[in-house]
Amino acid sequence: QQQVKQSPQSLIVQKGGISIINCAYENTAFDYFPWYQQFPGKGPALLIAIRPDVSEKKEGRFTISFNKSAKQFSLHIMDSQPGDSATYFCAASNSGNQFYFGTGTSLTVIP
Amino acid sequence: DTAVSQTPKYLVTQMGNDKSIKCEQNLGHDTMYWYKQDSKKFLKIMFSYNNKELIINETVPNRFSPKSPDKAHLNLHINSLELGDSAVYFCASSQGQTVYSPLHFGNGTRLTVT
Repeated sequence: QQQVKQSPQSLIVQKGGISIINCAYENTAFDYFPWYQQFPGKGPALLIAIRPDVSEKKEGRFTISFNKSAKQFSLHIMDSQPGDSATYFCAASNSGNQFYFGTGTSLTVIP
Repeated sequence: DTAVSQTPKYLVTQMGNDKSIKCEQNLGHDTMYWYKQDSKKFLKIMFSYNNKELIINETVPNRFSPKSPDKAHLNLHINSLELGDSAVYFCASSQGQTVYSPLHFGNGTRLTVT
């Protein structure tokens, strides 16, 4: 059973465009929602994270939008760059006990 | 200085062999994990140790045995390797049962079983 559902599986965006990746969850015990970025040959690296007491968090070009009532959260990458081409994973955690990952989104930013 | 380091980076071996992957973290975290990433890039947790104590043991064949000599190290030993074990194995660490503590991953060990 997939605890965190992620879409789309792959995404192609023009340079300068906005990339949007969506995730949904069911377990209301989740209280921490990180996003990870993974480049080929590397481990996933924390990109940005949000807690359910806020609806949005922005760090540079990366923004998480969080909708607690809908149990959905999304990652927005503004002004997407070729260097952003990577696989992105959303995740959810219940008090740090265990992390559940989405299935990943392969992002390609075309110059 | 690498925060979570695992060795080897690549491991090619034949079916039936036994192999080990080592992991060390210098972040002072008290919880360490092993994740398996398959060819579709899905990340699946295998084990989690908190202060050398096993706290998560997902449905993993008992050919896989984690060992944590201290809270900075978590090794993975695999017996009687099978073709289906081919994957990338990631070690990770976090400040354990603390809310808002993210996972820190190593760069993975690509295991190929022939």
